Amino acid sequence: AQSVTQLDSHVSVSEGTPVLLRCNYSSSYSPSLFWYVQHPNKGLQLLLKYTSAATLVKGINGFEAEFKKSETSFHLTKPSAHMSDAAEYFCVVRSYTGRRALTFGSGTRLQVQP
Amino acid sequence: DTAVSQTPKYLVTQMGNDKSIKCEQNLGHDTMYWYKQDSKKFLKIMFSYNNKELIINETVPNRFSPKSPDKAHLNLHINSLELGDSAVYFCASSQTQGNTEAFFGQGTRLTVV
Repeated sequence: AQSVTQLDSHVSVSEGTPVLLRCNYSSSYSPSLFWYVQHPNKGLQLLLKYTSAATLVKGINGFEAEFKKSETSFHLTKPSAHMSDAAEYFCVVRSYTGRRALTFGSGTRLQVQP
Repeated sequence: DTAVSQTPKYLVTQMGNDKSIKCEQNLGHDTMYWYKQDSKKFLKIMFSYNNKELIINETVPNRFSPKSPDKAHLNLHINSLELGDSAVYFCASSQTQGNTEAFFGQGTRLTVV
């Protein structure tokens, strides 16, 4: 079985300060991990993905995430938040075997204060 | 060109009605999905089709029936709509080989009154 836990349901930062959204995963096999972003009343957009290549993954809009197998974590970071980053962020896991559908975390709402 | 498109974007209907949501992907993917997003933003898989074959069928009421006429289409039909069916429904597609990401449609906001 596979699952993801997003440790914060809500994160608030000031514009220009760093962003950290935390995610822990559980998977029987080496997983693929993704971060998706959902802006209000919009669909889901892929930010970045880890598929067993480099452990530090760079995505769009300055986001990056580091895969740490020993900690079973895949935290999302950005050095400097922008107002347009305010959205819901989902950590997602997909196993290489068995059920191949994406399993979503519960989401983290990122609020960016001016 | 929209990769995954679903129609309609908004659907308001009365309890007891039957409605359908259509989804089409032009990415050449072999797997398509329906996800339901509840009012707390939680996304849960409902169905998955691979090459027109149902491979995941989560515990959803029998009133929900997916139909895949071909690899590029996965429609969702809902009978006897209930208030609790109100949610946003997302269609998605992916390629099984390579374990790549899924591409999502813009969602259909279903409101049952």
